[in-house]
Amino acid sequence: GAGVSQSPSNKVTEKGKDVELRCDPISGHTALYWYRQSLGQGLEFLIYFQGNSAPDKSGLPSDRFSAERTGGSVSTLTIQRTQQEDSAVYLCASSLEVGGGAWDTQYFGPGTRLTVL
Amino acid sequence: AQTVTQSQPEMSVQEAETVTLSCTYDTSESDYYLFWYKQPPSRQMILVIRQEAYKQQNATENRFSVNFQKAAKSFSLKISDSQLGDAAMYFCAYRRVGANSKLTFGKGITLSVRP
Repeated sequence: GAGVSQSPSNKVTEKGKDVELRCDPISGHTALYWYRQSLGQGLEFLIYFQGNSAPDKSGLPSDRFSAERTGGSVSTLTIQRTQQEDSAVYLCASSLEVGGGAWDTQYFGPGTRLTVL
Repeated sequence: AQTVTQSQPEMSVQEAETVTLSCTYDTSESDYYLFWYKQPPSRQMILVIRQEAYKQQNATENRFSVNFQKAAKSFSLKISDSQLGDAAMYFCAYRRVGANSKLTFGKGITLSVRP
């Protein structure tokens, strides 16, 4: 079956502009995670969605970052008034998260490389 | 808070040889999962192998195996019969059991394979 997909693959924007990054999880996966991968900070957790529960936003670095997940499927990560330090690869992952065992494994998309000039 | 440490930033191995990538972690939990992910230049994070902490037996997946030492909080990855396609960045990751559990990653190690 199809894996996690993300779009765009690459995004170049000017400082101060808003950007939207999209993630399509694996069909049937109830949990969705966003991570950021940057040279200085490595891989960092940003936000977590699970079904209809309130998202865990504890990893968002500032209030310029927000995310939503519509219909329990597609997710959009929005960065407002982008700054140069926002330049990174943004990775999305999904998992089944029903019970334990193998269903806890997170499967990643190819990421969006964001460059803020 | 959980931490994952990969102290070797780079390693190199000759094709067909064996290489071991090191990882240590710190947690107060008794049950958790450990993972090795591979990230080639395409950026796609690919799951290599996973280990449940309650299992004493080390996980194996074809040429990949782990040495899980729970008391020492060590989780190394052994790649046997290295192939050119194994060249990538490898990340060790931890997550606790249950829902709403983010992955905590190490800094990663860049593995190169010499033909």
